[in-house]
Amino acid sequence: ETGVTQTPRHLVMGMTNKKSLKCEQHLGHNAMYWYKQSAKKPLELMFVYSLEERVENNSVPSRFSPECPNSSHLFLHLHTLQPEDSALYLCASSQDSVGHSGNTIYFGEGSWLTVV
Amino acid sequence: AQTVTQSQPEMSVQEAETVTLSCTYDTSENNYYLFWYKQPPSRQMILVIRQEAYKQQNATENRFSVNFQKAAKSFSLKISDSQLGDTAMYFCAFSNYGGSQGNLIFGKGTKLSVKP
Repeated sequence: ETGVTQTPRHLVMGMTNKKSLKCEQHLGHNAMYWYKQSAKKPLELMFVYSLEERVENNSVPSRFSPECPNSSHLFLHLHTLQPEDSALYLCASSQDSVGHSGNTIYFGEGSWLTVV
Repeated sequence: AQTVTQSQPEMSVQEAETVTLSCTYDTSENNYYLFWYKQPPSRQMILVIRQEAYKQQNATENRFSVNFQKAAKSFSLKISDSQLGDTAMYFCAFSNYGGSQGNLIFGKGTKLSVKP
């Protein structure tokens, strides 16, 4: 059983829809992340949250909007996406987000997003 | 900018044999961390092994070991006594020491198939 759970596992949405991906971690970690995994690119970090504060945003388009209401939950709100946004979106968490970078990052199983 | 290169898109190995996956990276930093992650068909990324750059001793975890060559910027993964459950995508990743946590830089991955 994973300590990081993501819902939904699969999502198909139209370009004009609004949907959200949800992530919950049960590990007592302070940092949470969204990664994007496309077929032809390496994993890309999208957002980092530490203690519910966003600490990094890697030039992600505004059609992706993260929300971190508490240290256990992370959302990715999706609005007017493009077909090229179809990918596997992975949520992850780690104990801390600053200091020694060697903290292990634990991943969820991902949410498959298809934009039609 | 740091980069991670995995030059073998696909590899296969017979069950019980040994296989080595290659990874090279580029950085001007002296302190950093290196990781191997495994992504089975379930899509959940699982940490296999990690190495601190300041440690000369190669990391080992049961059947998994690394050959860390700092001067050559090489970080290969050796899987001994391969098992069918080792079939997965394997990603090499790099993280700066003390940098923004979660900013793992991933290679494009190597698809490993273990054949009975």
